[in-house]
Amino acid sequence: EPEVTQTPSHQVTQMGQEVILRCVPISNHLYFYWYRQILGQKVEFLVSFYNNEISEKSEIFDDQFSVERPDGSNFTLKIRSTKLEDSAMYFCASSEALNGGAFETQYFGPGTRLLVL
Amino acid sequence: AQSVAQPEDQVNVAEGNPLTVKCTYSVSGNPYLFWYVQYPNRGLQFLLKYITGDNLVKGSYGFEAEFNKSQTSFHLKKPSALVSDSALYFCAVRDPLSGGYNKLIFGAGTRLAVHP
Repeated sequence: EPEVTQTPSHQVTQMGQEVILRCVPISNHLYFYWYRQILGQKVEFLVSFYNNEISEKSEIFDDQFSVERPDGSNFTLKIRSTKLEDSAMYFCASSEALNGGAFETQYFGPGTRLLVL
Repeated sequence: AQSVAQPEDQVNVAEGNPLTVKCTYSVSGNPYLFWYVQYPNRGLQFLLKYITGDNLVKGSYGFEAEFNKSQTSFHLKKPSALVSDSALYFCAVRDPLSGGYNKLIFGAGTRLAVHP
């Protein structure tokens, strides 16, 4: 069964450093997403991406964040200058694009646990 | 504002007994509702969804959920719990009209503990 994969599984970085989290969505999916879950809190939407552009983003997704689909398989989340409060589990998800994606199930990867020191 | 409430932090059930994990929602338009399960050190696994049609939806691993519009609820149920069902369960809603076309809004999660 196809799965969303994410690398690395864990990342430790120093405050102010740039990090890139990588995801390989399910191959025939066209919508891609990033969510995050701060320890003990809810899973929060960050951004959705379709047709090589951001389709929606939350207020969390400020100028420090960017997403990219650099090739036909990878989808990345970049945090330019990490802050302590960026420490969280980051989940990538993907879905098909039927009906504009609204009805479609989002399939999640295993997550990258980011720790900012 | 759109929101999802899971009123129980933890549900304890004996193996073989029926289980219910509660979820209520608040949206402006017609909700699209989802249940996900998270096992330790794993991602969110899709269980089932309600988009339209029959209020009772069946999903993976013998789980089902009933959409109740008047009570704005979407409780997850299983007739006979297994120890292996022990995990963290998340309810989520999508409200394309006003909550964002693609984003899922998650509840806080309910930890299900099934005891032998």
